[in-house]
Formats: sequence, C-alpha cells, structure tokens
Amino acid sequence: EADIYQTPRYLVIGTGKKITLECSQTMGHDKMYWYQQDPGMELHLIHYSYGVNSTEKGDLSSESTVSRIRTEHFPLTLESARPSHTSQYLCASSAKDRAGNTIYFGEGSWLTVV
Amino acid sequence: LAKTTQPISMDSYEGQEVNITCSHNNIATNDYITWYQQFPSQGPRFIIQGYKTKVTNEVASLFIPADRKSSTLSLPRVSLSDTAVYYCLVALSGGSYIPTFGRGTSLIVHP
Repeated sequence: EADIYQTPRYLVIGTGKKITLECSQTMGHDKMYWYQQDPGMELHLIHYSYGVNSTEKGDLSSESTVSRIRTEHFPLTLESARPSHTSQYLCASSAKDRAGNTIYFGEGSWLTVV
Repeated sequence: LAKTTQPISMDSYEGQEVNITCSHNNIATNDYITWYQQFPSQGPRFIIQGYKTKVTNEVASLFIPADRKSSTLSLPRVSLSDTAVYYCLVALSGGSYIPTFGRGTSLIVHP
C-alpha cells in the first residue's frame, strides 16, 4: 500500500483567498505530480517534479504554483482562488522500479471556491 | 512516448468476464504496460502490469500479444464494485517518463 497523503481532503474557501494543498509521501520517490480532475472528466497533469528543486508545468495550464524543497513534500498553492479553480486535485508519486514508473496517488483534495 | 487508444465506455453485467483492449502501436522496446483503476472521487490505483505474454494477479489478467502493439485487460466475473474508469499507460523504464492518463475506459457493471 502506498504512503502518500493529501490535506485537506475537502475545503470550501472564498474568492481571492490564498490556499495551499499539502502532499507528502514517505516512499522516497523522486518524481511527484499534481493532477486536476473535474467529476467525470479526464485527469490533467498540471505540475510535476523530478526531485528536490525541480518543478515543471504540465499539459494543462494552471494558475497554481508548486515547490519541492524536500523529497517527501510537494505542496500546491493558489495565491488568489477563483470559482474556476473548483475541482479535485490529486497528488501522486512514482517509483523507478524495474517495470518503469509505477504511480501512486493520494486520496485527493476537493476544493470549492465560492 | 507511446500513445494509447482504448474505448471510451463499456457496459457489462454482474458475473460476466470483461475484456478491455488498449492499442499502443508505437510501443518501444523498453516500455511496460500498466493498467490503473479509478473509482469516483478517488485517485487511480495500480491493478496490473506486464511486458509480454500473460500476467495474472488476484484482480485481473493482462494479455499482451507477441508484437506488443496492444494489450487486453481481463476482469473475470465482474461485480457492481468493478464499475470504474480503467486506464492503460505505456511507461518507459527510467528517468524522463511523465505519466499522462487520457480519458480511460468507463466500465459500468449492471445488476
């Protein structure tokens, strides 16, 4: 069983507020990812990291930012939340195993901006 | 990066066997094939992985023909709880691979 944790699980905040979604993994994985997914829709990669001090933007443009100061921690921040940011945010990490990059997901953070 | 194609949706009934096929025509020599399952409001989870021929675990079987240009996920005797989205990914072993999931196959199991 994978050890990757996201907090908060559910959050309702007002427009214009700053929010940080936390993600931590205890598996020592170098690669970490943030995906955004609306209900019934496709998973979109918004950020990823190859390791400490590495951050890259994913396929879907996002106004959020990420940081990777420690291997185990990959927080996502929205400086000024808007209703269009309402979505589920999924954090993941991957292992460089023999078969190549098995991906482990957290339980997700549901963000509602009102 | 090998592109994958799989059906958008499938329907089945409890107790039936379900086979979901994924096409990956430009799979590379070092690529493995991995399937994930996603329930509503949860992140995808690994179910099975293979390189060639057949792999079986307690959840599913994975059939990969000799040319490896496709793979078939087989779920024996599905139940309502197998209703989920199933994703096929083709992953290169090593450093630069970044996983993208696509739309997957939405399987609905009916009573």
